Amino acid sequence: SQQGEEDPQALSIQEGENATMNCSYKTSINNLQWYRQNSGRGLVHLILIRSNEREKHSGRLRVTLDTSKKSSSLLITASRAADTASYFCATDANGNQFYFGTGTSLTVIP
Amino acid sequence: KAGVTQTPRYLIKTRGQQVTLSCSPISGHRSVSWYQQTPGQGLQFLFEYFSETQRNKGNFPGRFSGRQFSNSRSEMNVSTLELGDSALYLCASSWMQGTNGYTFGSGTRLTVV
Repeated sequence: SQQGEEDPQALSIQEGENATMNCSYKTSINNLQWYRQNSGRGLVHLILIRSNEREKHSGRLRVTLDTSKKSSSLLITASRAADTASYFCATDANGNQFYFGTGTSLTVIP
Repeated sequence: KAGVTQTPRYLIKTRGQQVTLSCSPISGHRSVSWYQQTPGQGLQFLFEYFSETQRNKGNFPGRFSGRQFSNSRSEMNVSTLELGDSALYLCASSWMQGTNGYTFGSGTRLTVV
């Protein structure tokens, strides 16, 4: 299976701190995406990084990709209570089927 | 611009019944994918449609089926419901098969009793 695995499964931090979560996958990919899901709702697309990119920024988000290690990390800087959610990575190999990881549950304490 | 719309939001069905869920993608999006989300299994890919053709199918039994119409709206059907089919069913649309990220609907929460 190509499914990604996020690490840690759960993370609890104080507001203002940085949160880092990691994703590992098994096979070669075209791109890797990160999504956020608030409890019981749909997923929100955060950022996409292509296999030939090593780092990407979007606001307070920073994503890195290491294809040699088959891993990616998502950094959320200066976290806010509203960042409390589950975060998933999704990988694809052929562009038309995406595999989601198991998710990291982030709790930001005000 | 309207987002991805899934109907109904909540559904309660009895074992053995069948159910049809609907998804209206963002206007102009031609790719629609369906996912099942449960606490134990996470997000599992069901199938993906592009221009009315099923391009990929996940590892689900034949009781799970879907289709896409010419206006890109999609439906999924589950026949002979089992208790284990209780889940959040998510639909996602993309302009070109997810290569620039998917937009998800809020999901349909199906409970089988």
